Amino acid sequence: DTEVTQTPKHLVMGMTNKKSLKCEQHMGHRAMYWYKQKAKKPPELMFVYSYEKLSINESVPSRFSPECPNSSLLNLHLHALQPEDSALYLCASSGRPGQIIGVNTEAFFGQGTRLTVV
Amino acid sequence: GNSVTQMEGPVTLSEEAFLTINCTYTATGYPSLFWYVQYPGEGLQLLLKATKADDKGSNKGFEATYRKETTSFHLEKGSVQVSDSAVYFCALRIESGANNLFFGTGTRLTVIP
Repeated sequence: DTEVTQTPKHLVMGMTNKKSLKCEQHMGHRAMYWYKQKAKKPPELMFVYSYEKLSINESVPSRFSPECPNSSLLNLHLHALQPEDSALYLCASSGRPGQIIGVNTEAFFGQGTRLTVV
Repeated sequence: GNSVTQMEGPVTLSEEAFLTINCTYTATGYPSLFWYVQYPGEGLQLLLKATKADDKGSNKGFEATYRKETTSFHLEKGSVQVSDSAVYFCALRIESGANNLFFGTGTRLTVIP
């Protein structure tokens, strides 16, 4: 199993809604990531969890709240978003068991959740 | 600093044409280099990678060689197909503890029959 599964695939939400994006991997990877990708742009890193602990927050607004309930799951809770937050949200994972998470470890990406804020 | 520069797109080629997408990088330390591909409406897929100088990554007819002397990792394919139409991202990872990939801006390839 080399998949990173994201749900839902598409999400439309109002600015007052609360929703969550989910990401799951069963490769035993020790690092998980959230990226945001706007149209015709490369992915931008938002958060990194390493061994289930938040290790990087790239100055993301508090209306985005990540959570890592266990080593296989990563959530992104959304609240009071703005229309400019509409984007493709990508989850990724890397670092096999026993492998040092570092320069040689490739990241596996999910198919993304396309979020539209209205 | 660390950065990746890709050739500007979009690139339009006829089927069976030769493809080159240029990628150069700036990095502290000794990076690994990657090419990712993103098909329309999908996430990123790892296409190939190289972890040290002179390594050649290859997959699905695509190749790229890690050239330390020119700090380059150009993507090539001898004969493209319509199904290769996608956006291609060059990326590097460094051993910095940051657990991060640095992406280029992406190059959109369209292959016409």
